[in-house]
Amino acid sequence: AQTVTQSQPEMSVQEAETVTLSCTYDTSESDYYLFWYKQPPSRQMILVIRQEAYKQQNATENRFSVNFQKAAKSFSLKISDSQLGDAAMYFCAYYDDYGGSQGNLIFGKGTKLSVKP
Amino acid sequence: IAGITQAPTSQILAAGRRMTLRCTQDMRHNAMYWYRQDLGLGLRLIHYSNTAGTTGKGEVPDGYSVSRANTDDFPLTLASAVPSQTSVYFCASKVPGHLPRGKLFFGSGTQLSVL
Repeated sequence: AQTVTQSQPEMSVQEAETVTLSCTYDTSESDYYLFWYKQPPSRQMILVIRQEAYKQQNATENRFSVNFQKAAKSFSLKISDSQLGDAAMYFCAYYDDYGGSQGNLIFGKGTKLSVKP
Repeated sequence: IAGITQAPTSQILAAGRRMTLRCTQDMRHNAMYWYRQDLGLGLRLIHYSNTAGTTGKGEVPDGYSVSRANTDDFPLTLASAVPSQTSVYFCASKVPGHLPRGKLFFGSGTQLSVL
């Protein structure tokens, strides 16, 4: 079964600096999708960035970028120029179409990011 | 209604009581899901429905039931609540077809406390 591991329960970063959140996953599929979701204190789940496994180019969305290492099954999120509004819980998630995850997202346990002014 | 609506926003419930969490979407998404979120455990799938009239069990289905009478509604029922069901519950739906694969739309969650 597919699994998603976030090994950092908590992280802290100084405002304006860069932080990287780690995520590893396990799958036997070759075609799948990876996501980072942000959950601020409001409890809302916000999609930050997504990556298709068949694309070698790392996805970027403004200050957010990923380092996707398919062979290593690693999918880290880099937040540049951190802002106070980036403080949140971040979840890494996996999805494939082939029934291994029953078409559902599989989430990691989350990393709580604090941003210091 | 825009997106997914969950009700109630929060609820305190006595153990042993029956409770139905409501979820309604107006996006005509076929697939819908119920997750529970617990600190240190992330989001875990309770039940899902790929289309109206069908449901399936997720990772943690015990003590919960769902129905999918139509495309829009996907209620989650706790037949006899227990304290271990204290959690935040999220309903979600998925974009169909060839749109961004796997992208979920989430409701705002229901905080449930079982005493």
